[in-house]
Amino acid sequence: GEDVEQSLFLSVREGDSSVINCTYTDSSSTYLYWYKQEPGAGLQLLTYIFSNMDMKQDQRLTVLLNKKDKHLSLRIADTQTGDSAIYFCAELGNTGKLIFGQGTTLQVKP
Amino acid sequence: EAGVVQSPRYKIIEKKQPVAFWCNPISGHNTLYWYLQNLGQGPELLIRYENEEAVDDSQLPKDRFSAERLKGVDSTLKIQPAELGDSAVYLCASSSGTLNTGELFFGEGSRLTVL
Repeated sequence: GEDVEQSLFLSVREGDSSVINCTYTDSSSTYLYWYKQEPGAGLQLLTYIFSNMDMKQDQRLTVLLNKKDKHLSLRIADTQTGDSAIYFCAELGNTGKLIFGQGTTLQVKP
Repeated sequence: EAGVVQSPRYKIIEKKQPVAFWCNPISGHNTLYWYLQNLGQGPELLIRYENEEAVDDSQLPKDRFSAERLKGVDSTLKIQPAELGDSAVYLCASSSGTLNTGELFFGEGSRLTVL
Protein backbone atom coordinates (compact mmCIF):
# COMPACT_ATOMS: atom_id res chain seq x y z
CA GLY A 1 0.00 0.00 0.00
CA GLU A 2 0.91 3.64 0.00
CA ASP A 3 3.00 4.85 2.91
CA VAL A 4 5.13 7.89 3.62
CA GLU A 5 7.71 7.98 6.42
CA GLN A 6 9.56 10.92 7.93
CA SER A 7 11.85 11.49 10.87
CA LEU A 8 9.94 13.19 13.67
CA PHE A 9 12.24 15.98 14.83
CA LEU A 10 15.08 18.16 13.65
CA SER A 11 16.85 20.91 15.54
CA VAL A 12 19.20 23.41 13.89
CA ARG A 13 20.84 26.75 14.65
CA GLU A 14 19.67 29.88 12.93
CA GLY A 15 21.67 30.41 9.75
CA ASP A 16 22.47 26.72 9.30
CA SER A 17 20.96 24.55 6.57
CA SER A 18 18.16 22.14 7.44
CA VAL A 19 17.60 18.86 5.63
CA ILE A 20 14.32 17.02 6.14
CA ASN A 21 14.06 13.52 4.73
CA CYS A 22 11.17 11.40 3.56
CA THR A 23 10.71 7.94 2.10
CA TYR A 24 7.68 6.70 0.23
CA THR A 25 6.52 3.36 -1.08
CA ASP A 26 4.41 4.01 -4.18
CA SER A 27 6.77 3.83 -7.14
CA SER A 28 4.01 5.08 -9.43
CA SER A 29 3.75 8.42 -7.62
CA THR A 30 3.67 11.20 -10.17
CA TYR A 31 4.15 14.16 -7.86
CA LEU A 32 5.71 14.61 -4.43
CA TYR A 33 5.12 17.58 -2.19
CA TRP A 34 6.30 19.45 0.84
CA TYR A 35 3.73 21.18 3.01
CA LYS A 36 4.39 23.40 6.05
CA GLN A 37 2.15 23.67 9.10
CA GLU A 38 2.62 26.42 11.64
CA PRO A 39 1.07 26.11 15.12
CA GLY A 40 -2.70 26.33 15.07
CA ALA A 41 -2.84 26.69 11.32
CA GLY A 42 -3.69 24.57 8.32
CA LEU A 43 -1.12 23.17 5.92
CA GLN A 44 0.45 25.33 3.25
CA LEU A 45 2.08 24.02 0.09
CA LEU A 46 5.78 24.93 -0.01
CA THR A 47 6.90 23.20 -3.17
CA TYR A 48 6.40 20.10 -5.27
CA ILE A 49 8.43 18.03 -7.71
CA PHE A 50 7.38 15.93 -10.67
CA SER A 51 8.64 12.37 -10.54
CA ASN A 52 10.79 12.70 -13.67
CA MET A 53 12.88 15.42 -12.03
CA ASP A 54 15.89 14.94 -9.75
CA MET A 55 16.04 18.38 -8.25
CA LYS A 56 14.04 21.53 -7.93
CA GLN A 57 15.24 24.80 -6.43
CA ASP A 58 13.05 27.63 -5.28
CA GLN A 59 14.86 30.46 -3.44
CA ARG A 60 16.05 28.97 -0.13
CA LEU A 61 14.37 25.63 -0.79
CA THR A 62 15.96 22.71 -2.63
CA VAL A 63 14.09 19.48 -3.23
CA LEU A 64 16.03 16.34 -4.15
CA LEU A 65 14.31 13.21 -5.44
CA ASN A 66 15.95 9.80 -5.66
CA LYS A 67 13.31 7.79 -7.43
CA LYS A 68 15.31 4.57 -7.30
CA ASP A 69 15.47 4.68 -3.51
CA LYS A 70 12.05 6.38 -3.19
CA HIS A 71 13.69 9.12 -1.12
CA LEU A 72 12.73 12.78 -1.06
CA SER A 73 14.49 15.55 0.82
CA LEU A 74 13.88 19.22 1.51
CA ARG A 75 16.83 21.47 2.15
CA ILE A 76 16.25 24.90 3.65
CA ALA A 77 19.25 27.18 3.31
CA ASP A 78 19.99 29.87 5.90
CA THR A 79 17.29 28.59 8.23
CA GLN A 80 15.45 31.31 10.14
CA THR A 81 13.40 31.17 13.34
CA GLY A 82 10.34 31.77 11.20
CA ASP A 83 10.98 28.42 9.54
CA SER A 84 10.11 26.63 12.79
CA ALA A 85 7.09 24.51 11.94
CA ILE A 86 6.03 20.97 11.06
CA TYR A 87 6.94 19.88 7.55
CA PHE A 88 4.90 17.21 5.80
CA CYS A 89 6.01 15.14 2.87
CA ALA A 90 3.18 13.88 0.64
CA GLU A 91 2.85 11.76 -2.46
CA LEU A 92 0.15 11.65 -5.06
CA GLY A 93 -0.53 7.93 -5.04
CA ASN A 94 -2.03 5.72 -7.70
CA THR A 95 -5.41 6.12 -6.03
CA GLY A 96 -5.35 9.78 -7.01
CA LYS A 97 -5.20 11.12 -3.49
CA LEU A 98 -2.50 12.73 -1.39
CA ILE A 99 -0.84 10.51 1.22
CA PHE A 100 0.90 12.49 3.95
CA GLY A 101 3.77 11.50 6.19
CA GLN A 102 3.54 12.03 9.93
CA GLY A 103 5.45 15.29 9.79
CA THR A 104 8.88 16.49 10.89
CA THR A 105 9.01 19.16 13.56
CA LEU A 106 11.76 21.65 12.74
CA GLN A 107 13.09 23.62 15.69
CA VAL A 108 15.32 26.58 14.89
CA LYS A 109 17.42 27.87 17.77
CA PRO A 110 18.60 31.49 17.74
CA GLU B 1 -9.23 36.63 -1.62
CA ALA B 2 -10.59 34.78 1.39
CA GLY B 3 -9.10 31.41 2.19
CA VAL B 4 -10.85 28.27 3.34
CA VAL B 5 -13.00 29.13 6.34
CA GLN B 6 -13.89 26.60 9.01
CA SER B 7 -15.98 26.80 12.12
CA PRO B 8 -15.96 26.32 14.97
CA ARG B 9 -12.22 26.54 15.65
CA TYR B 10 -12.60 24.67 18.91
CA LYS B 11 -15.28 22.38 20.25
CA ILE B 12 -15.45 20.49 23.54
CA ILE B 13 -18.22 17.97 24.00
CA GLU B 14 -19.01 14.97 26.11
CA LYS B 15 -18.96 11.54 24.54
CA LYS B 16 -22.13 10.38 22.86
CA GLN B 17 -23.04 13.98 21.98
CA PRO B 18 -23.35 15.08 18.34
CA VAL B 19 -21.07 17.66 16.75
CA ALA B 20 -20.96 19.38 13.39
CA PHE B 21 -18.23 21.24 11.55
CA TRP B 22 -18.72 23.68 8.72
CA CYS B 23 -16.44 24.58 5.84
CA ASN B 24 -16.58 27.29 3.22
CA PRO B 25 -14.04 26.62 0.45
CA ILE B 26 -12.28 29.14 -1.73
CA SER B 27 -14.64 30.62 -4.27
CA GLY B 28 -14.61 28.65 -7.51
CA HIS B 29 -12.94 25.58 -6.07
CA ASN B 30 -14.92 22.55 -7.17
CA THR B 31 -13.08 19.99 -5.07
CA LEU B 32 -13.48 19.90 -1.31
CA TYR B 33 -11.79 17.59 1.15
CA TRP B 34 -12.26 16.71 4.79
CA TYR B 35 -9.15 15.44 6.54
CA LEU B 36 -8.64 14.05 10.02
CA GLN B 37 -5.41 14.98 11.79
CA ASN B 38 -4.58 13.15 14.98
CA LEU B 39 -1.97 14.60 17.31
CA GLY B 40 1.51 14.08 15.93
CA GLN B 41 0.25 12.64 12.68
CA GLY B 42 -0.27 13.78 9.13
CA PRO B 43 -3.71 14.44 7.71
CA GLU B 44 -5.76 11.46 6.59
CA LEU B 45 -8.48 11.84 3.99
CA LEU B 46 -12.03 11.26 5.20
CA ILE B 47 -13.99 12.33 2.14
CA ARG B 48 -13.51 14.15 -1.15
CA TYR B 49 -16.19 16.00 -3.07
CA GLU B 50 -16.24 16.98 -6.71
CA ASN B 51 -18.92 19.66 -6.72
CA GLU B 52 -21.76 18.09 -4.73
CA GLU B 53 -20.77 14.48 -5.39
CA ALA B 54 -18.78 12.47 -2.85
CA VAL B 55 -16.23 10.74 -5.09
CA ASP B 56 -14.11 9.15 -2.35
CA ASP B 57 -15.58 8.39 1.06
CA SER B 58 -13.87 5.07 1.58
CA GLN B 59 -12.17 6.26 4.79
CA LEU B 60 -15.25 7.83 6.33
CA PRO B 61 -16.62 5.78 9.28
CA LYS B 62 -20.17 5.75 8.07
CA ASP B 63 -21.69 4.39 11.25
CA ARG B 64 -21.17 7.70 13.02
CA PHE B 65 -19.80 10.18 10.49
CA SER B 66 -21.73 11.89 7.75
CA ALA B 67 -20.99 14.73 5.39
CA GLU B 68 -22.83 16.77 2.86
CA ARG B 69 -22.06 19.44 0.34
CA LEU B 70 -25.35 20.85 -0.78
CA LYS B 71 -25.19 23.08 -3.87
CA GLY B 72 -21.54 22.17 -4.29
CA VAL B 73 -20.17 24.99 -2.16
CA ASP B 74 -20.21 24.81 1.65
CA SER B 75 -19.86 21.50 3.41
CA THR B 76 -20.77 20.09 6.79
CA LEU B 77 -19.15 17.15 8.57
CA LYS B 78 -21.14 15.57 11.37
CA ILE B 79 -20.29 13.05 14.06
CA GLN B 80 -23.09 11.38 15.94
CA PRO B 81 -22.48 10.09 18.52
CA ALA B 82 -18.95 11.27 19.26
CA GLU B 83 -16.49 8.92 20.93
CA LEU B 84 -13.35 9.66 22.93
CA GLY B 85 -11.18 8.56 20.03
CA ASP B 86 -12.69 11.22 17.78
CA SER B 87 -10.66 13.91 19.55
CA ALA B 88 -8.56 15.38 16.76
CA VAL B 89 -8.33 18.29 14.35
CA TYR B 90 -10.71 18.18 11.39
CA LEU B 91 -9.23 19.97 8.42
CA CYS B 92 -11.12 21.15 5.39
CA ALA B 93 -9.30 21.82 2.14
CA SER B 94 -10.24 22.83 -1.36
CA SER B 95 -8.63 22.82 -4.76
CA SER B 96 -9.48 23.93 -8.24
CA GLY B 97 -9.82 20.32 -9.26
CA THR B 98 -6.46 19.91 -10.95
CA LEU B 99 -4.62 17.85 -8.40
CA ASN B 100 -1.49 17.56 -10.56
CA THR B 101 0.17 20.41 -8.75
CA GLY B 102 -1.03 19.08 -5.41
CA GLU B 103 -1.99 22.47 -4.14
CA LEU B 104 -4.67 21.96 -1.62
CA PHE B 105 -5.65 25.06 0.29
CA PHE B 106 -6.32 24.20 3.91
CA GLY B 107 -8.44 25.89 6.50
CA GLU B 108 -7.17 26.38 10.05
CA GLY B 109 -9.05 23.33 11.25
CA SER B 110 -11.64 22.53 13.88
CA ARG B 111 -10.14 21.06 17.02
CA LEU B 112 -12.48 18.60 18.70
CA THR B 113 -12.07 17.43 22.28
CA VAL B 114 -14.36 14.65 23.45
CA LEU B 115 -14.55 14.21 27.23
